[in-house]
Amino acid sequence: GQNIDQPTEMTATEGAIVQINCTYQTSGFNGLFWYQQHAGEAPTFLSYNVLDGLEEKGRFSSFLSRSKGYSYLLLKELQMKDSASYLCAVSREGYNKLIFGAGTRLAVHP
Amino acid sequence: DAMVIQNPRYQVTQFGKPVTLSCSQTLNHNVMYWYQQKSSQAPKLLFHYYDKDFNNEADTPDNFQSRRPNTSFCFLDIRSPGLGDAAMYLCATSRDPIAEGTDTQYFGPGTRLTVL
Repeated sequence: GQNIDQPTEMTATEGAIVQINCTYQTSGFNGLFWYQQHAGEAPTFLSYNVLDGLEEKGRFSSFLSRSKGYSYLLLKELQMKDSASYLCAVSREGYNKLIFGAGTRLAVHP
Repeated sequence: DAMVIQNPRYQVTQFGKPVTLSCSQTLNHNVMYWYQQKSSQAPKLLFHYYDKDFNNEADTPDNFQSRRPNTSFCFLDIRSPGLGDAAMYLCATSRDPIAEGTDTQYFGPGTRLTVL
């Protein structure tokens, strides 16, 4: 079966660092995406990992371990606008079909 | 700006009354996807078009149909909406995953469907 797990909710303080974990079990793997979704809006692309290791992009970094079926999204220097849901999604082989996790709702407070 | 556009942003329909949601893209992408997302849940893929080839997910109800008359437009038809079909419907596009490998999906702003 297909299964993607991530924590339902997290809270953090403005200026701090937060790590959002994602574990997956899927039939076929062709990369892992992280998307940010503000309430009532469409998901927007944050990062993509297909090889093991860390990808850094400004305040956001994403890590992948294929052997462990594990990824995390690291957000540094948190800002209030980072309050959103963060969706982990795995791309299955062929046609780039994504399986999404339910998302982690992050609340950043002053 | 190249983008994915969905109309309307909010749609209200009555139980059993057919409704059509539309999506257009200026990205000239080969693939268009329709997802259903219910509150606090993951987006769920309903179907996708690779050019004109229609690909239905195995668990997508027959009540949901789609049309892609040309590269730019894709429609989601719900033939007899039930209360359980109230959700956000997201359209997304990507380039050619066969030629380009895995590629980013770009999402439209979504249409929130209410069924009365």
